Amino acid sequence: QVQLQESGPGLVKPSQTLSLTCTVSGGSISSADYYWSWIRQPPGKGLEWIGYIYYTGSTYYNPSLKSRVSMSLDTSKNQFSLKLSSVTVADTAVYYCARDVVAMTSCDSWGQGTLVTVSS
Amino acid sequence: QSALTQPPSASGSAGQSVTISCTGTSSDVGGYNYVSWYQQHPGKAPKLMIYDVSKRPSGVPDRFSGSKSGNTASLTVSGLQAEDEADYYCSSYAGSNNFGVTFGGGTKLTVL
Repeated sequence: QVQLQESGPGLVKPSQTLSLTCTVSGGSISSADYYWSWIRQPPGKGLEWIGYIYYTGSTYYNPSLKSRVSMSLDTSKNQFSLKLSSVTVADTAVYYCARDVVAMTSCDSWGQGTLVTVSS
Repeated sequence: QSALTQPPSASGSAGQSVTISCTGTSSDVGGYNYVSWYQQHPGKAPKLMIYDVSKRPSGVPDRFSGSKSGNTASLTVSGLQAEDEADYYCSSYAGSNNFGVTFGGGTKLTVL
C-alpha cells in the first residue's frame, strides 16, 4: 500500500520561497500509471489544486499559480518536491501531496498534509 | 480558473438520502467524464469516494453514487449514517491546455 509523507518548514517569511518534499513509500514515482500532485487547503477553506508532475518530468500547473510554482522529481530518493516563490499570507495553508491515478483522473492516495504558515 | 459551484451545506436524517450538486461549465464538468468526489473529515486528508463520474474505488460503500447531466454532477448518499457527516468536494479535469484540475468549494454534510 502506497504511503505519502510531506516534509518541510512549517513557517516561511513573506516574499520567500516555500519548499516541500513528498516521500513516497510502497510504490515508485517512476511509474507511468500516476501523476504526483500537490493540493493545498487554506484554514477553514476548500481545496485548491496546485499542479502535478509526471514521471517524465512533465508538469501541469494551476494557471493562477503558474508563475510562482515549480515541481521536480528525485527518483533516487523516490521523492517529489514543490517550490512556491514570493509567498504571501494568502499562501498559508495545509499542503497535501497526493497520487493521481492516470486511469482514474483522481487522487487515490494522500499524505496527511502539512501546515505552512507565511508570517514575518 | 473558477471553482466548481457546490451548495455550502446539505443535511439529512439517518437512513435517508441526500444529493449534493456540483456545477461547472462545458470546459470542465460538461466536457469530460472525469468528475471525482472526495470526503474529508475534520483534520484529515480527503478520501476518494467517486471517480469518472460514477465509479467507486474498492472499499467505498455502494451507498455512495455519482451521476452527471450536462454541466452538473451529483453525489448521492443513501442510507445516511453518522460517519457520513463530513465535507464533500467535487473535482473535474479541465484539460491540460486549460486548467488541469478544478475543485468545488465544498459541501458540509450534516446527518441529523
